[in-house]
Amino acid sequence: NAGVTQTPKFQVLKTGQSMTLQCAQDMNHNSMYWYRQDPGMGLRLIYYSASEGTTDKGEVPNGYNVSRLNKREFSLRLESAAPSQTSVYFCASRSGQGGLHGNEQFFGPGTRLTVL
Amino acid sequence: SQQGEEDPQALSIQEGENATMNCSYKTSINNLQWYRQNSGRGLVHLILIRSNEREKHSGRLRVTLDTSKKSSSLLITASRAADTASYFCATQVTNAGKSTFGDGTTLTVKP
Repeated sequence: NAGVTQTPKFQVLKTGQSMTLQCAQDMNHNSMYWYRQDPGMGLRLIYYSASEGTTDKGEVPNGYNVSRLNKREFSLRLESAAPSQTSVYFCASRSGQGGLHGNEQFFGPGTRLTVL
Repeated sequence: SQQGEEDPQALSIQEGENATMNCSYKTSINNLQWYRQNSGRGLVHLILIRSNEREKHSGRLRVTLDTSKKSSSLLITASRAADTASYFCATQVTNAGKSTFGDGTTLTVKP
């Protein structure tokens, strides 16, 4: 199993450009999440999808959109990138099915985004 | 605002010593989790403690939870240089809900 994969690993954008960050998980998890992590700080939730077909705003959704394409894939789109969106973006998934590990989140390796 | 806040922000110890990190939170929770993040990597789940539990162990890790004080601690015993990482607590208000992360404690273990 690959776990949670993210593409790309690195990206540099100019202000106003758009891009989509891709995330996929092969663990048959119900819930998926997008976080951003700024230097020296914890993770802040951008959007999440509790189950296929649903998405909800997190703590910092402005400037982002998401699509839960299917159970495996959850993408994050920046329509018009701004320097304030320079950050490391992490995707995570959780089974949400109860049991011993139902609440554990599995994280991807991150996408390092710089907006000039 | 962040639900969980860790302290200290940074901790530096010698190999073999114990490391203790604390997490405080603001609202009632269903569970609290601790994660580890090595530099430049994603987070890795370490341990989960539910609101009706007071202490859990996993290998060299010991987690306590005091719901009356809304606080948790993570103890790493007999630390190793490989334990150098950032450690984050995350709280879940409901069993199926989203998690809220603190800003983390950066632990440096000197060989």
